[in-house]
Amino acid sequence: EVQLVESGGGLVQPGGSLRLSCAASGFTFSSYDMHWVRQPTGKGLEWVSVIGTAGDPYYPASVKGRFTISRENAKNSMYLQMNSLRAGDTAVYYCARANYYDSSGYAFDFWGQGTMVTVSS
Amino acid sequence: QSALTQPASVSGSPGQSITISCTGTSSGVSNYNYVSWYQQHPGKAPKLMIYNVTSRPSGVSNRFSGSKSGNTASLTISGLQSEDEADYYCSSYTNTNTVFGGGTKLTVL
Repeated sequence: EVQLVESGGGLVQPGGSLRLSCAASGFTFSSYDMHWVRQPTGKGLEWVSVIGTAGDPYYPASVKGRFTISRENAKNSMYLQMNSLRAGDTAVYYCARANYYDSSGYAFDFWGQGTMVTVSS
Repeated sequence: QSALTQPASVSGSPGQSITISCTGTSSGVSNYNYVSWYQQHPGKAPKLMIYNVTSRPSGVSNRFSGSKSGNTASLTISGLQSEDEADYYCSSYTNTNTVFGGGTKLTVL
């Protein structure tokens, strides 16, 4: 059974840092691109970052330069280091597995339960 | 502002069919053949309902179907049931970025 379990969320002051973790099980972790997606309370989903199987990371402009995604295949784990946090980063953070159903198209077929990050003084 | 536009809300009565649209700006979505749809109940993680515009993952009811016309993708739910009441999000990607629509709240009357 595929499982994704996030941890590391909590309350942090503006300008502070936090490191999220995503522990994966039930599949060959190293074979999948993995993503972080966040959702502010009462709002929609926002893509945060992706790390490819080769370790290549990508970010949207909203977090580029502040967030760093990484993975440790030996531990079946992915991480999100978040620095210079702002109130606007307050959200539930989900990790999600990207499944390529053909050579180019992918969708998020498994999601974790999410971890809450609150940025407030 | 999302590159994918969805109506904020739709509603229908049990047994009816509803359709949720997802319109992409031509410059915002470069690969519109890869639209996926997610269902999210309150307090829960999103669940994949449709991938590659029209395909259903194993275990998803055949009451859910996807289609596309031009730069608008659609999710149709037939035979509405109370448990279908949820938020629905479309998603696609541009180059290396994933984008989500703003979400549509489905109310089953």
